[in-house]
Amino acid sequence: GQQVMQIPQYQHVQEGEDFTTYCNSSTTLSNIQWYKQRPGGHPVFLIQLVKSGEVKKQKRLTFQFGEAKKNSSLHITATQTTDVGTYFCAVTTGANSKLTFGKGITLSVRP
Amino acid sequence: GAVVSQHPSWVICKSGTSVKIECRSLDFQATTMFWYRQFPKQSLMLMATSNEGSKATYEQGVEKDKFLINHASLTLSTLTVTSAHPEDSSFYICSARGGYGYTFGSGTRLTVV
Repeated sequence: GQQVMQIPQYQHVQEGEDFTTYCNSSTTLSNIQWYKQRPGGHPVFLIQLVKSGEVKKQKRLTFQFGEAKKNSSLHITATQTTDVGTYFCAVTTGANSKLTFGKGITLSVRP
Repeated sequence: GAVVSQHPSWVICKSGTSVKIECRSLDFQATTMFWYRQFPKQSLMLMATSNEGSKATYEQGVEKDKFLINHASLTLSTLTVTSAHPEDSSFYICSARGGYGYTFGSGTRLTVV
C-alpha cells in the first residue's frame, strides 16, 4: 500500500529554535494530513493539504505540500515546550479512504 | 466540533478473558470507523475498517476471530479483544470518518496480565 516516510524518528531542539520535518512518498499523493499526538494522548488533526505547492499556516506552524505532491513539510517557528509531541503525516488510500500513518517524529523541546 | 467518545480509557484484564472497547460519535454520523493499535514509541497501525451495517475489513495479519468488530449503528462501533494475551497489551484507538474528516477517540490502554 501507499507509504509515507518520516525520518528521523526523534529530534531535540532548544526552546526558541525553529524545527522542520518532512514526509516523503515514492508515489504521487492525492492529499496529505498532519496530526499531533501528545504523550499519553490521541492523534489530533492539524491540517490537510490537497493542492500541489499548497502552503497553509497555523500560528507558528507552516505546512507545505510539494509541487510534485510526493512530499510535505511541517515547520515550527520558535518552538515552545507546548510543541512537544509526536507529529505524524498520514495519507488516505482505498475505497474506504483509510488513513495510513507515517512512523512519526517525536519532538522534545529543552526549556 | 466532532467528538468521538471512547471507553474505557484503560483496562487491565486477565489472560484468556475478553475485553470490549466502545467508540461513539457524539454529534455526527460515522459512516466509517477505523480501529488502530499503537505499541509504545511506534506509529498507529490500522487493524480494520468497518462500515455501518456491514462486515469489517481487516488488514493483513490481523486475526478476525480475535478482534471482533461490530458497527451496528452510525454512532457506535465496538472492538472486542477475545481471549486476550499479554502480547495484545497496547493502546487501541478508534477513528470515525464523517462530515468533519477524521476524528479520533481518546484511546484505550489495554494491559493483559
